[in-house]
Amino acid sequence: SYELTQPLSVSVALGQTARITCEGNNIGSKNVHWYQQKPGQAPVMVVYRSSNRPSGIPERFSGSNSGNPATLTISRVHPGDEADYYCQVWDSIIVFGGGTKLTVL
Amino acid sequence: QITLRESGPTLLKPTQTLTLTCTFSGFSLSTNGVGVGWIRQPPGEALEWLGFIFWDGDTRYNPSLKTTLTITKDTTKNLVLLTKTNVDPVDTATYYCAHGDERGGYSLDSWGQGTLVTVSS
Repeated sequence: SYELTQPLSVSVALGQTARITCEGNNIGSKNVHWYQQKPGQAPVMVVYRSSNRPSGIPERFSGSNSGNPATLTISRVHPGDEADYYCQVWDSIIVFGGGTKLTVL
Repeated sequence: QITLRESGPTLLKPTQTLTLTCTFSGFSLSTNGVGVGWIRQPPGEALEWLGFIFWDGDTRYNPSLKTTLTITKDTTKNLVLLTKTNVDPVDTATYYCAHGDERGGYSLDSWGQGTLVTVSS
């Protein structure tokens, strides 16, 4: 079965750029979706089809998938960006990565 | 605007059957390409995908849970049911339903608030 691998944690200084990776076999051929989940809340989609931003998501959030890994980039990080982030693909079933905890220093 | 809401029991005993309802609005589950997924999250752990039902009634399940899960829909009432048999304390989790669409590559663009289910004797 298809697997997605994310780092357990990423730390970034306030105002800097955070990059969260998502690795999978031939992931460049897939649409990768990203979700942000804050404590006690449901996940929110922040990027879909690898590089598209839903309405209402700040331009600071961007995605790329030109090969392994796929990457979620958060520019000018705010304290409010501290959250768990999950990548997801469709491989005839839905597959989630294990999640990455983003800490803002 | 798409909204979803999960409902069902909050406490179950081991071996019982869990049935959760996802009531939604803002879309029709008879529209080509549309589906609803179920996802759960044990306390302090990662998201785990459970299953997905498509507009045409086709279903997909997490292979590790497939034998215990059933997802059905009632298009006229705008609801989706998740049934899990023979629950165990490891099934204690917040359960979410979410809308997915082929146009979005089956991303999950709208989620319910989740419902916490506890399994304990």
